[in-house]
Amino acid sequence: DTAVSQTPKYLVTQMGNDKSIKCEQNLGHDTMYWYKQDSKKFLKIMFSYNNKELIINETVPNRFSPKSPDKAHLNLHINSLELGDSAVYFCASNRMGGNTEAFFGQGTRLTVV
Amino acid sequence: DAKTTQPPSMDCAEGRAANLPCNHSTISGNEYVYWYRQIHSQGPQYIIHGLKNNETNEMASLIITEDRKSSTLILPHATLRDTAVYYCIVFSSGSARQLTFGSGTQLTVLP
Repeated sequence: DTAVSQTPKYLVTQMGNDKSIKCEQNLGHDTMYWYKQDSKKFLKIMFSYNNKELIINETVPNRFSPKSPDKAHLNLHINSLELGDSAVYFCASNRMGGNTEAFFGQGTRLTVV
Repeated sequence: DAKTTQPPSMDCAEGRAANLPCNHSTISGNEYVYWYRQIHSQGPQYIIHGLKNNETNEMASLIITEDRKSSTLILPHATLRDTAVYYCIVFSSGSARQLTFGSGTQLTVLP
């Protein structure tokens, strides 16, 4: 069973479109994250949700809107896609409060053309 | 969260031990040292973590200096599949916990 799963794995879309990436974890974790990895390979945190509530928003444009319908899901919706949004997006989860490891999804490669 | 410094790249012969250093001189008392790796195009994978004692698991060993200002990740018998970017991260459990990744060390295991 995949611990953290993201869909789709690949996404190619035109500028100006709106798209969503879904993430689900079956680990019973209470905290979920979205990271962006650009062409220079830096992994940068975008958002963090704990128990469905936003706790970190790292100055991400408001075209990006995370949505957490429950603790097991954190979806990322992106409006008016731009060329600079092309990157690999990773979802992750862990348990807040305990020093346990985070688990990452396999990534979604978004290409905006 | 404290920052870390790692060499940008290292090579290791297959079957030999790979020793990856990390400096974290500004680490605070409640911050743990975590190691993750990212194999090309995959999501980061947890390896090991520790506070002040040395730790060992099925993947690696973590040696933390007594002053906690640096640590070394040891892969005892490196294989080609260990070629990856290795990230050393320090942080503490808290209300706004996050993993902040630096640039890491690209480890290349050579046949």
